[in-house]
Amino acid sequence: DQQVKQNSPSLSVQEGRISILNCDYTNSMFDYFLWYKKYPAEGPTFLISISSIKDKNEDGRFTVFLNKSAKHLSLHIVPSQPGDSAVYFCAPYTSGTYKYIFGTGTRLKVLA
Amino acid sequence: ETGVTQSPTHLIKTRGQQVTLRCSSQSGHNTVSWYQQALGQGPQFIFQYYREEENGRGNFPPRFSGLQFPNYSSELNVNALELDDSALYLCASSLGRFGTDTQYFGPGTRLTVL
Repeated sequence: DQQVKQNSPSLSVQEGRISILNCDYTNSMFDYFLWYKKYPAEGPTFLISISSIKDKNEDGRFTVFLNKSAKHLSLHIVPSQPGDSAVYFCAPYTSGTYKYIFGTGTRLKVLA
Repeated sequence: ETGVTQSPTHLIKTRGQQVTLRCSSQSGHNTVSWYQQALGQGPQFIFQYYREEENGRGNFPPRFSGLQFPNYSSELNVNALELDDSALYLCASSLGRFGTDTQYFGPGTRLTVL
């Protein structure tokens, strides 16, 4: 029962260019979406979120876009930096509940 | 403000044994959630404790159990270990018990079951 899919296991991008990470979901009850970043030997850290009442949220170099009709969200990183190299997870959930459903993750490598 | 810590870092057990993993939440955080992350997968929700009571559970059997203590520490216990229990176990603490409260993850405990 894979409610959340990140179809690109890995992505390589040149420093300074845009990184686009994608996430697709099937559960229409999800109304809040988070992105987490994970470095090796560390736990995931919260990066950015978006509510289903919005279609875009921006925080510095990071922007998340939500297309509810397509059940698709994406994370844009501009410009990409070598320190952004990590595994990125999308984690949607339903308001009033307590559990996130994490995607399988996308490993981003930013090349200097 | 200290972060979330977990112990031990690594652990090797044999099938059928029991294991206890420990987590120390950020001070003041009433909620702790536990996740299992198998290799190449995202974290899977095991259960959540809020003020020392289980607040919700994912699709894990009863041999996965937990405790939360008043001093912001918690435990994950797994009985009758199986080979498929080999994974990274993450705990995450938060102020409240809903998803709108940011979860702060520990570095995890790597469990290997032989």
